[in-house]
Amino acid sequence: SQELEQSPQSLIVQEGKNLTINCTSSKTLYGLYWYKQKYGEGLIFLMMLQKGGEEKSHEKITAKLDEKKQQSSLHITASQPSHAGIYLCGADDDNAGNMLTFGGGTRLMVKP
Amino acid sequence: DAGVTQSPTHLIKTRGQQVTLRCSPKSGHDTVSWYQQALGQGPQFIFQYYEEEERQRGNFPDRFSGHQFPNYSSELNVNALLLGDSALYLCASSFSLRPYEQYFGPGTRLTVT
Repeated sequence: SQELEQSPQSLIVQEGKNLTINCTSSKTLYGLYWYKQKYGEGLIFLMMLQKGGEEKSHEKITAKLDEKKQQSSLHITASQPSHAGIYLCGADDDNAGNMLTFGGGTRLMVKP
Repeated sequence: DAGVTQSPTHLIKTRGQQVTLRCSPKSGHDTVSWYQQALGQGPQFIFQYYEEEERQRGNFPDRFSGHQFPNYSSELNVNALLLGDSALYLCASSFSLRPYEQYFGPGTRLTVT
């Protein structure tokens, strides 16, 4: 299975600031998922990327997958307190969506 | 449309005991996966059930077992509990023809004392 490294591990930003979270894989990614988790709760699906160079946006969150399909970034524009939580990247381990490997997560705090 | 539900919400057990956690998938979903999330870490894949059989398994000992029922709901059983089994257990469901869309439940917080 592959390993996913997320950086930074934690982040504190002032409300209104932009921020970027990175996810790096040891192997080529078949599918890269981004989830958000409120502390101690379930995961909320944000986006999934499959193609090299692919970029998707939802509201103020944009995710990109690099051409080599080994690195993804999640960018939040004009952060709000509602963006606070843990952001997790997950990789499709068997190219069939059956088994996901997750990174360690990035804990985001947004100061009002 | 009810999403993925899990029960119980919280559970406290003693070392050596056995525990059963339950998951009801999202309506229309036929595949259930279980993950273990230790405090401060990302979720780790335990196993997946489809058509009442274990289809994939992660790196977890045989103390972890599961079951899927004809209505697609699932149970996770853990025997001989260890302190290290304390974690948030997450259930995810998906539809076999669209496996990439996994929906997660709120989790069951298991504490082993």
